[in-house]
Amino acid sequence: GAVVSQHPSRVICKSGTSVKIECRSLDFQATTMFWYRQFPKQSLMLMATSNEGSKATYEQGVEKDKFLINHASLTLSTLTVTSAHPEDSSFYICSAFYINYGYTFGSGTRLTVV
Amino acid sequence: SQQGEEDPQALSIQEGENATMNCSYKTSINNLQWYRQNSGRGLVHLILIRSNEREKHSGRLRVTLDTSKKSSSLLITASRAADTASYFCAAFYNQGGKLIFGQGTELSVKP
Repeated sequence: GAVVSQHPSRVICKSGTSVKIECRSLDFQATTMFWYRQFPKQSLMLMATSNEGSKATYEQGVEKDKFLINHASLTLSTLTVTSAHPEDSSFYICSAFYINYGYTFGSGTRLTVV
Repeated sequence: SQQGEEDPQALSIQEGENATMNCSYKTSINNLQWYRQNSGRGLVHLILIRSNEREKHSGRLRVTLDTSKKSSSLLITASRAADTASYFCAAFYNQGGKLIFGQGTELSVKP
């Protein structure tokens, strides 16, 4: 079956630094990848949609200069949280879409900014 | 808001009872999916129902879809303590090709 690997699973960083989160589809080529953010006790909010080789499409209210998304290949998308602040602390989840498998989610990354 | 609505927000039942969760969405969809999430963990895909389907079963799960009301329900029969988790519906919208999650239902099944 389809597997999406997301790393790291947990990261703690200092305010002002940048953090990169990787999302890889291991056994299929994802035409589209999605990035979600989830605050405690809340639902998943779609941040952006990325297609390989093109710029990501960001949802309203999501700062594209702060959350940099790079979809360099059909199997890898990265989310970089730049100049992180404590309010960026959240659970970030990626999802890869391939027509034969539908949506497959990564296991998530818990980001804590101190 | 991009999110659909779910109710109830929280549901507490005894083992063996049935649990029903409802979800509403906003516009035309291709399909609707239900996911489960244990506290602080990733998502587990439970079931997908397409817009031209009205009901679907998978084990103890039964999902219905009413496109005229833009709503879906998830029924878990004969619940177990291990079913304790948060349950989310997610609508795949025709416009924009996005998967948008509902607000979720926190289910607690007491042994």
